[in-house]
Amino acid sequence: GDSVTQMEGPVTLSEEAFLTINCTYTATGYPSLFWYVQYPGEGLQLLLKATKADDKGSNKGFEATYRKETTSFHLEKGSVQVSDSAVYFCGYFGNEKLTFGTGTRLTIIP
Amino acid sequence: ETGVTQTPRHLVMGMTNKKSLKCEQHLGHNAMYWYKQSAKKPLELMFVYNFKEQTENNSVPSRFSPECPNSSHLFLHLHTLQPEDSALYLCASSQDAGALGWTGELFFGEGSRLTVL
Repeated sequence: GDSVTQMEGPVTLSEEAFLTINCTYTATGYPSLFWYVQYPGEGLQLLLKATKADDKGSNKGFEATYRKETTSFHLEKGSVQVSDSAVYFCGYFGNEKLTFGTGTRLTIIP
Repeated sequence: ETGVTQTPRHLVMGMTNKKSLKCEQHLGHNAMYWYKQSAKKPLELMFVYNFKEQTENNSVPSRFSPECPNSSHLFLHLHTLQPEDSALYLCASSQDAGALGWTGELFFGEGSRLTVL
């Protein structure tokens, strides 16, 4: 069935390091793809999205490109900050449902 | 402030108790959702209500009973829960679920942390 597989955490990086969190999906058709972020003590909020192949979503310095050929939507940021510490969820919208991965906990140390 | 408010934020209950979680949205949306967040598991969709009608029940045990009296309010009634039901329960809302053009963006509350003893 349809599913999302994302990089297992936790991930710990130093401030200003380069970040990649991998995400791949298995789905029929051409789903919309999302990254949601959950800061400590809060609910999930949309970080970025892409609705068709080769689209690039971007927000707050984060980027992800919809790669249909590799069914991937990896999240990247060139220089992370302490305030980026959170749990990141990859998800896709298909069959009228939003399906999420397990989440990846990211901790940035000064 | 996301426009989706959940109460209580924390709940501890015994296996024989009956309690309810409440969610309220102020965004004018027509669809509301319950998700279960457990450690090291995918975020699990439990129920979907679209225009107050339940459109999704993702094989959830009957000890969880949802109620949606109107498009702004959603409840999750809990009874005879098990310790493995301990988790963060997230409510979300969106524009019409499944409507043409809807791309799947959800607005989440902060969650209710449930502990079953």
